[in-house]
Amino acid sequence: KNEVEQSPQNLTAQEGEFITINCSYSVGISALHWLQQHPGGGIVSLFMLSSGKKKHGRLIATINIQEKHSSLHITASHPRDSAVYICAVEVGRKLTFGTGTRLTIIP
Amino acid sequence: SQTIHQWPATLVQPVGSPLSLECTVEGTSNPNLYWYRQAAGRGLQLLFYSVGIGQISSEVPQNLSASRPQDRQFILSSKKLLLSDSGFYLCASQRGPPNEKLFFGSGTQLSVL
Repeated sequence: KNEVEQSPQNLTAQEGEFITINCSYSVGISALHWLQQHPGGGIVSLFMLSSGKKKHGRLIATINIQEKHSSLHITASHPRDSAVYICAVEVGRKLTFGTGTRLTIIP
Repeated sequence: SQTIHQWPATLVQPVGSPLSLECTVEGTSNPNLYWYRQAAGRGLQLLFYSVGIGQISSEVPQNLSASRPQDRQFILSSKKLLLSDSGFYLCASQRGPPNEKLFFGSGTQLSVL
């Protein structure tokens, strides 16, 4: 069983919909990262969380340390949000990645 | 903000040939550096990480090696490539200590034929 589980694996939604991607993990962590990977392969860091909630534009990330769960929300989704979203947990200097959620936003 | 330079972007190599992928970092000093591989349709797998010059930790036994000859230079190598080495290789940097934001290079798509 992977230490980091993401759901759903694939998500297709209409433009404007509210999107939620979930990440659950099974170990104690020092931080959790949300990453965005575009079709060309490049990866951008969206958030680094160790507690609570962070917001950047239309993106919101939350984490519940006790429940070992994090969510990434996208409000007013847009086709340019189409990408693979990856959750990664940090234990010491080691990062363990989820397999990603492929998000497709249809105009 | 850090900038990660990674090259080449694509590489096609025959089985048994050597490999050298280079990653250099701008905008920080003494970063933690990482090499990841992403096989087709799969998640990112940590191959090596380094917390300083000459310090390399290997996460997965394999046909690859890594070196850090300078503070902001991280090299992934192989003496003889295998078919199974094909994949998308990413270099990443994280300013120490842990819990800092990650920065990724643009990746190298390696095809071993």
